[in-house]
Amino acid sequence: AQKVTQAQTEISVVEKEDVTLDCVYETRDTTYYLFWYKQPPSGELVFLIRRNSFDEQNEISGRYSWNFQKSTSSFNFTITASQVVDSAVYFCALSAYISNFGNEKLTFGTGTRLTIIP
Amino acid sequence: NAGVTQTPKFRILKIGQSMTLQCTQDMNHNYMYWYRQDPGMGLKLIYYSVGAGITDKGEVPNGYNVSRSTTEDFPLRLELAAPSQTSVYFCASSYSGSREKLFFGSGTQLSVL
Repeated sequence: AQKVTQAQTEISVVEKEDVTLDCVYETRDTTYYLFWYKQPPSGELVFLIRRNSFDEQNEISGRYSWNFQKSTSSFNFTITASQVVDSAVYFCALSAYISNFGNEKLTFGTGTRLTIIP
Repeated sequence: NAGVTQTPKFRILKIGQSMTLQCTQDMNHNYMYWYRQDPGMGLKLIYYSVGAGITDKGEVPNGYNVSRSTTEDFPLRLELAAPSQTSVYFCASSYSGSREKLFFGSGTQLSVL
């Protein structure tokens, strides 16, 4: 089975606080890819990052950082010094081969709505 | 560069009506997808295409049809609309499949009343 769990449905933090969005995944595939997408109030999903299963290095991009741990099947996303513009729904997603699907399948989590309070 | 363009942005249908959601991409991507997003449910794949003339079902294909006559266009047809099809629909594309990042359109909010 392939599954992505984002247990945090909604998070609210005050501007400039740090916030971590959790993502836990399940897959039987040994080669897979993990993604984070941002959906701002305008509605369009925007790609943030992709990691493959062989690369466990953490990544930092400005105020954003990602922590990938295969041992716990987690791919968490941290925003440092949050800003109002970070308010959005964030989706974690997993791409892996599914035999009964006959192809790579991209599975999305249910999303975490992040609200930054000014 | 327009990316992925979806029309219309909003639509209200009566039960039993039909409509086509349009999707065009100008990035010469081989793969195109249709997703629906329901509140609290994430995105579910309806149909996808790996190239012109080739389409296949996703997780939730019932009540929908697609065609892919050109690389650029991937319309989604709703036949006999039902209230269960009330959702936000997203078209997306990628060059070589779901291991690559997807480029999304701005979405179509559809209500079936």
